[in-house]
Amino acid sequence: AQKITQTQPGMFVQEKEAVTLDCTYDTSDPSYGLFWYKQPSSGEMIFLIYQGSYDQQNATEGRYSLNFQKARKSANLVISASQLGDSAMYFCAMTPMNTGFQKLVFGTGTRLLVSP
Amino acid sequence: NAGVTQTPKFRVLKTGQSMTLLCAQDMNHEYMYWYRQDPGMGLRLIHYSVGEGTTAKGEVPDGYNVSRLKKQNFLLGLESAAPSQTSVYFCASSKTENQPQHFGDGTRLSIL
Repeated sequence: AQKITQTQPGMFVQEKEAVTLDCTYDTSDPSYGLFWYKQPSSGEMIFLIYQGSYDQQNATEGRYSLNFQKARKSANLVISASQLGDSAMYFCAMTPMNTGFQKLVFGTGTRLLVSP
Repeated sequence: NAGVTQTPKFRVLKTGQSMTLLCAQDMNHEYMYWYRQDPGMGLRLIHYSVGEGTTAKGEVPDGYNVSRLKKQNFLLGLESAAPSQTSVYFCASSKTENQPQHFGDGTRLSIL
């Protein structure tokens, strides 16, 4: 079974600084995908970034990058140059790959607050 | 850019009433999902569908039924609503089982 752990219930960062949101995972599957989603106060879930377990390089999408450390089973999200609009809940999720459908397992989320 | 559209956005029901939540996607995705989100528990999968005419149980299917008569629509039904079903419900879709899921804006459902 897969498990996602997000140990930071809340994080604070000043505008324009970088912040790292932690995510560790547990799986016995050799191939898997890791995802990060953002949920603003308006409630919608927004896909941010994806990392495959066999990808050679860490994923980047604009100001978002995923610090993937396979041996440590961690997939931390790094947000550079934080903006006020980054204030939201952030969810890490994972699913095994190449084994047919397996449900996406979500962590409990980290609430990020960006201050001016 | 409609993406995934959920209706209604809010609803209040009395215990025992029934209702159907509608999810529509215009991305020609094969896979569709219904989740519920409760405080401190993240998202939990209720039911999912891997294509038109198919449905399958997720993590917390009890008390819910689903139908996927058309590829673009995925309906979630509550036959006899209970207060424990008070939650925010999200529909999502994806092209394949391993592609990122695209979510609707959610339906906030309160059962009194």
